[in-house]
Amino acid sequence: AQRVTQPEKLLSVFKGAPVELKCNYSYSGSPELFWYVQYSRQRLQLLLRHISRESIKGFTADLNKGETSFHLKKPFAQEEDSAMYYCALRGGYGNKLVFGAGTILRVKS
Amino acid sequence: GAGVSQSPRYKVAKRGQDVALRCDPISGHVSLFWYQQALGQGPEFLTYFQNEAQLDKSGLPSDRFFAERPEGSVSTLKIQRTQQEDSAVYLCASSPDPNTGELFFGEGSRLTVL
Repeated sequence: AQRVTQPEKLLSVFKGAPVELKCNYSYSGSPELFWYVQYSRQRLQLLLRHISRESIKGFTADLNKGETSFHLKKPFAQEEDSAMYYCALRGGYGNKLVFGAGTILRVKS
Repeated sequence: GAGVSQSPRYKVAKRGQDVALRCDPISGHVSLFWYQQALGQGPEFLTYFQNEAQLDKSGLPSDRFFAERPEGSVSTLKIQRTQQEDSAVYLCASSPDPNTGELFFGEGSRLTVL
C-alpha cells in the first residue's frame, strides 16, 4: 500500500529561522515524491519534485530511501512562505498521486 | 481560461439529493483527476481519465459516485443520494503529461450535505 505521513499539523517558526517540514512514505517500489503548496486563497500547486533535484523559492527536498523520507527544507524562512504544504507520492500502477494530510507552516515576524 | 475551472464553487444539498460537479480542464490536457478533500485532510484520489477513457476509478467510495468525460475535455462528477459523509471539497486537476506528476488544480467545489 502507498501511504504518506506528515507528522506535524502545524509548524510555527520565526522569520529567518530554518524550516524542515517532515514527510515519510510507505511504498515497496521506487517512488516519485513531490511537494505541493497551497497559499492563502490560492489553488494547490506543485512546489518541487525529487527527480528534478531543483531548489524552488529556496526550498529543497532530498529523497532518503533508507529512511523513506522526503523532508522539505529551507535555511531561512520568509513570511511569504506561510502556507499549507502537502507531500505526495506516485508509484506503481497508474498516475495518481497519494497525498499526506498536510502541514501548515506559519512564519512569524 | 488560463486554469482549471470548476463549478459550482459551493453547493448545499439535502441528504438524498443528487448533485453534479463540473470540471473544465486546461485546453489540451489529456489527463484529468478528481480528488475528494475532507476537512483537515489531504486530497484523496477518486478517479482518473486519459482523454475520454476512465483508466482508474479505484478511489470512488461507493456506487453512488460516478464520473464521466465523454469528449475528452469537460468532466462531470455525479453523486447520487448524497449522504452527510459526502461533505467535502471536490478537487479537479488536469495534466498535459501523465508521466510528470505535475497536476494543475482547480479551486474546488465545496459540497455541504445537510
